[in-house]
Amino acid sequence: AQTVTQSQPEMSVQEAETVTLSCTYDTSESDYYLFWYKQPPSRQMILVIRQEAYKQQNATENRFSVNFQKAAKSFSLKISDSQLGDAAMYFCAYRRSSNQFYFGTGTSLTVIP
Amino acid sequence: GAVVSQHPSRVICKSGTSVKIECRSLDFQATTMFWYRQFPKQSLMLMATSNEGSKATYEQGVEKDKFLINHASLTLSTLTVTSAHPEDSSFYICSAPTPLLAGDQETQYFGPGTRLLVL
Repeated sequence: AQTVTQSQPEMSVQEAETVTLSCTYDTSESDYYLFWYKQPPSRQMILVIRQEAYKQQNATENRFSVNFQKAAKSFSLKISDSQLGDAAMYFCAYRRSSNQFYFGTGTSLTVIP
Repeated sequence: GAVVSQHPSRVICKSGTSVKIECRSLDFQATTMFWYRQFPKQSLMLMATSNEGSKATYEQGVEKDKFLINHASLTLSTLTVTSAHPEDSSFYICSAPTPLLAGDQETQYFGPGTRLLVL
């Protein structure tokens, strides 16, 4: 079974600073995808960034980047120049080749003005 | 872009009644959809995979007879909570992957969720 672990239930960051959210996962599959999703109070899941396991290069999307360490099964999210709108619940997710998602327990991010 | 809708967004029902939640892909066809539930301040837990034209597959520990799933068409999946009880109160979210096109990245879209409260 796939398990996704987020060891930081809560994190805070000063506006304009950088924060890193941690995620580890366990799998026996070789073909999979990893994601970070953001869930604001509206509860709508918003895709932040994705990483294909077969790609060695770390994904980046504007202020968001990941540090993907396949051997260590680690997938952390770095948010640079944090903005007030970044405050939300962040979920790390593992997606199987058959499209099922398995989510971590989430990290609540607070951005301090 | 592709959108997935859910109806209703909120529902309150009496204990013992059944509630149907719809999940629609608005501008793409989805042969597969997924249902999740999320308790307050917790993660999304995959409940089942809805397959168009065939039976749904359920995750371990999810009662098939309790949570009936019907994938009636390529754009609609329904989740029926039968004989609902207060412990079924939760936030239910569906998702659907878009078809993989040449040179494109497959994307999965999540619905806005349905909040169920069973009294």
